[in-house]
Amino acid sequence: SQQGEEDPQALSIQEGENATMNCSYKTSINNLQWYRQNSGRGLVHLILIRSNEREKHSGRLRVTLDTSKKSSSLLITASRAADTASYFCATASNFGNEKLTFGTGTRLTIIP
Amino acid sequence: DAGITQSPRHKVTETGTPVTLRCHQTENHRYMYWYRQDPGHGLRLIHYSYGVKDTDKGEVSDGYSVSRSKTEDFLLTLESATSSQTSVYFCAISERAGNTIYFGEGSWLTVV
Repeated sequence: SQQGEEDPQALSIQEGENATMNCSYKTSINNLQWYRQNSGRGLVHLILIRSNEREKHSGRLRVTLDTSKKSSSLLITASRAADTASYFCATASNFGNEKLTFGTGTRLTIIP
Repeated sequence: DAGITQSPRHKVTETGTPVTLRCHQTENHRYMYWYRQDPGHGLRLIHYSYGVKDTDKGEVSDGYSVSRSKTEDFLLTLESATSSQTSVYFCAISERAGNTIYFGEGSWLTVV
């Protein structure tokens, strides 16, 4: 079963707008990570946020983590056509955290 | 890009035949993983390794076996391929448990 579930499954926005994706998970985590996948390629790591952190920034990316609600959000500001991709959250649990569990992803399309 | 090479990248095989996918890394990372990616299911962990000759099952391990005789190589074997094993297979590596993982470019397997 999937640990993380992304919402929405698909999102289309105009270039320049902000994109927000959400991830919910079920069990206690050590950290939560976001990955991007371009069509036909492998996943690329974007950002990692630890369970004792609430917010993290990396360039145009902002990630928040609410452990009480077991949820995270990824915000991409000032979107570009090159941001078109699928985005996945992944969780490392507190128990046996050598295994990352991925959600089913959000397909983001940026309309030029 | 992390030094991960998957082979073959594309393969078509017949039901009932054995298939071996190879993952080779040049990063000397301890952890290696095999995931499969299917529409609607995201990425699911098949098997992983935490050292030479040390492997463990993931959530979808039935019908698959793995071996790791050297730090740099992790083999995934389908003993008798079935149509349900048609998928994209990703190898991934990680230096530490629960930390960032780096993905290969994927192996597209079609079982007819």
